[in-house]
Amino acid sequence: AQSVSQHNHHVILSEAASLELGCNYSYGGTVNLFWYVQYPGQHLQLLLKYFSGDPLVKGIKGFEAEFIKSKFSFNLRKPSVQWSDTAEYFCAVNKGSQGNLIFGKGTKLSVKP
Amino acid sequence: DAGVTQSPTHLIKTRGQQVTLRCSPKSGHDTVSWYQQALGQGPQFIFQYYEEEERQRGNFPDRFSGHQFPNYSSELNVNALLLGDSALYLCASSFLRGPTYEQYFGPGTRLTVT
Repeated sequence: AQSVSQHNHHVILSEAASLELGCNYSYGGTVNLFWYVQYPGQHLQLLLKYFSGDPLVKGIKGFEAEFIKSKFSFNLRKPSVQWSDTAEYFCAVNKGSQGNLIFGKGTKLSVKP
Repeated sequence: DAGVTQSPTHLIKTRGQQVTLRCSPKSGHDTVSWYQQALGQGPQFIFQYYEEEERQRGNFPDRFSGHQFPNYSSELNVNALLLGDSALYLCASSFLRGPTYEQYFGPGTRLTVT
């Protein structure tokens, strides 16, 4: 069965530290890849997405992610985190024209001021 | 431009009862998907509606059913509620034939089954 794995359950960083959150998926065909963020008390928001082309994609608020097909990975990065980045981050995959998103379990990020 | 809206915000039901949750998609969207997010987990796909028909279904029992109306809004019905149905229910809307397949999520309905 398809699955999405997020390696870290809870990450704690100080402001200005660099961030990398891991995401691996199990499906071998054509996939679309997403990172969603859920700030405390708010709904899921799309952070960035990959459909095709340049494997390095840039999203909102200084986030970026790199798609490495050979490693089935789509890791999220940010060079310098801020306290306002405290949130839960979800990696998700869908296959081609299929509608359903398969989510990882999420990584909670806590940034200390 | 209104985003995805869901009602109610919170709901408390007793085991064995039935519940209906509602969703209005973002303007211009024609497809509605429903997800269940249990505490500490990522959202899990329940089903998707397009042109008033169920287009895809995840691994959920028949107690979970849905409907899409001509104005693209949707309902999720759950019968014979179990304690394990307690979760945040998310609605997401999208435009099926769009150039990029993005789903926009609503704030969710928190269902508690006692």
